[in-house]
Amino acid sequence: AQSVTQLDSQVPVFEEAPVELRCNYSSSVSVYLFWYVQYPNQGLQLLLKYLSGSTLVKGINGFEAEFNKSQTSFHLRKPSVHISDTAEYFCAVSEISNYKLTFGKGTLLTVNP
Amino acid sequence: DAGVIQSPRHEVTEMGQEVTLRCKPISGHNSLFWYRQTMMRGLELLIYFNNNVPIDDSGMPEDRFSAKMPNASFSTLKIQPSEPRDSAVYFCASSLGTGRYNEQFFGPGTRLTVL
Repeated sequence: AQSVTQLDSQVPVFEEAPVELRCNYSSSVSVYLFWYVQYPNQGLQLLLKYLSGSTLVKGINGFEAEFNKSQTSFHLRKPSVHISDTAEYFCAVSEISNYKLTFGKGTLLTVNP
Repeated sequence: DAGVIQSPRHEVTEMGQEVTLRCKPISGHNSLFWYRQTMMRGLELLIYFNNNVPIDDSGMPEDRFSAKMPNASFSTLKIQPSEPRDSAVYFCASSLGTGRYNEQFFGPGTRLTVL
């Protein structure tokens, strides 16, 4: 079975600062990795995904993530955040032979002016 | 496309009452998922349907919970009787299938409060 750990439950940053949201996963087999964003009172929206190939993945809204197999990590980054990036971010993993998504507990990103 | 549609968006009920949550998946999608989100446990998969058939209900917490998918465009999640610990946000998601990878599209959720 797979598991996901998001190391920070809350990350406050100032507008235009860089941000990194950390995610580590555990699985005994090959996996797909995802980041979802949840804005207040909305459902989850896919930000980006890693399926195979290049370990640096670019997503929507200027976010990117890097898959590091040796460290079993998939950290999310953005070089300059905006107020509108304030939301909860979820890392998720699925085994490539399994439809199930296992989510981390989420990281609340708060961007302050 | 309208996306995944869930109703109601908010539900407040009293302990012991029956609650029915509804979901309309994206047209053409043949996989449907019900999730529950709580502060304590995060986002958990309750049940998964493929082509209207329940494939995995191992996440359903107990017999008070039941889910149905009578056709490709409609699913329900029922809780009877409801308890305060069932208070959560319930999400429905749909995808094109469960092949190599098929993105799950989430609805806006139903916020359930059981008093």
